[in-house]
Amino acid sequence: GEQVEQLPSILRVQEGSSASINCTYENSASNYFPWYKQEPGENPKLIIDIRSNMERKQTQGLIVLLDKKAKRFSLHITDTQPGDSAMYFCAATTDYAQGLTFGLGTRVSVFP
Amino acid sequence: EAAVTQSPRSKVAVTGGKVTLSCHQTNNHDYMYWYRQDTGHGLRLIHYSYVADSTEKGDIPDGYKASRPSQENFSLILELASLSQTAVYFCASTLSGQGYEQYFGPGTRLTVL
Repeated sequence: GEQVEQLPSILRVQEGSSASINCTYENSASNYFPWYKQEPGENPKLIIDIRSNMERKQTQGLIVLLDKKAKRFSLHITDTQPGDSAMYFCAATTDYAQGLTFGLGTRVSVFP
Repeated sequence: EAAVTQSPRSKVAVTGGKVTLSCHQTNNHDYMYWYRQDTGHGLRLIHYSYVADSTEKGDIPDGYKASRPSQENFSLILELASLSQTAVYFCASTLSGQGYEQYFGPGTRLTVL
């Protein structure tokens, strides 16, 4: 199996600044690490993912870093906007076909 | 955009009763999943399926059964609902060999009284 720890659980950031969320995993065989954003009352939606053959990936104001040696991956939201306020979940898996193991989530609030 | 629908969207059940949650996807995905989300927490995998007529246990299968009668449909069955099964249930699907993204349905809010 897999266990994923996610920190912090709550993150308040000022509009325009960066937000960082960190996750660690236990199983060194994990090879896929997605990040999901969930608005209140909505379903989770994939925002960015990274596979174990990469160390960094960037798209539309999001950066994800993977450190396989430390078994750690992180999400960085640059230039945060009010629309970035939501729950964010990291996940990991050794085999995407067998489903994902999620962290407990980070509630991000962007204030003016 | 992948389309995954769930029914019902909300349900109140009595302790000890039988509950069936349904999931339907129209994108010809082969893999399907059931997760539960407890208030303010992450998702946990209950059951999944690679192909019709076959299901696999996830991380928390106790108290749940799953059924995959066709490629498009995947059901979660609670034979004897309990208070601890109050949660939001999400179905998801993905297509093998086409990237790893899981597409989630809108969720079913289940309250067991």
